[in-house]
Amino acid sequence: QVQLVESGGGVVQPGKSLSLSCAVSGFTLSSYGMHWVRQAPGKGLEWVAVVWYDGSNKYYADSVKGRLTISRDISKNTLYLQMSSLRAEDTAVYYCARDPNALGSPYYYMDVWGKGTTVTVSS
Amino acid sequence: ETVMTQSPATLPVSLGERATLSCGASQSVSSDLAWYQQKPGQAPRLLIYGASTRATGIPARFSGSGSGTEFTLTISSLQSEDFAVYYCQQYNSWPQTFGHGTKVEIK
Repeated sequence: QVQLVESGGGVVQPGKSLSLSCAVSGFTLSSYGMHWVRQAPGKGLEWVAVVWYDGSNKYYADSVKGRLTISRDISKNTLYLQMSSLRAEDTAVYYCARDPNALGSPYYYMDVWGKGTTVTVSS
Repeated sequence: ETVMTQSPATLPVSLGERATLSCGASQSVSSDLAWYQQKPGQAPRLLIYGASTRATGIPARFSGSGSGTEFTLTISSLQSEDFAVYYCQQYNSWPQTFGHGTKVEIK
């Protein structure tokens, strides 16, 4: 059964760092591109980052470029989002999600989503 | 950036009625459009991709149409489990962008 489980969220002060994880089961990260998407409280969805199925490319939304880093550990079948220099506007539920195109460049929509982990940036 | 505009923001509908949700793009996105359903406290769920193709396991009462800049999601006969927020997303141009959502609520 395909499943994505995020963890690592919490309350963090502005300017600090936090690392999110997304444990994947039912498929291998080496076959699918993966995305992070976030949702601020009471707001809509915002795409954050993508890593290609082979790890060859990583792209970011302008709002997070240089501060958030997407990565993965194939041996652990886990996706990560390293967050640094956090701002109040980074407060959101962070979802990891699978791109549906296996072994190819991402389609950039998402067919499987995790339940999300909440990040609150506040002093 | 392609701006996605959804209307209405809130749609009151009675059980068994048809619901029609609209999504407009500020420039053509061809048929590169997806629809998602999100219930409170839950992750989004893919309903439609390619503007009109239902995702795996999605009931036939959900249908999508349109191309270019105008798109529609239709729920033919609303069931109790369909009350939720619906988002459209274009993935034709960088960056991929979402609409602000339409909340389908009980009339």
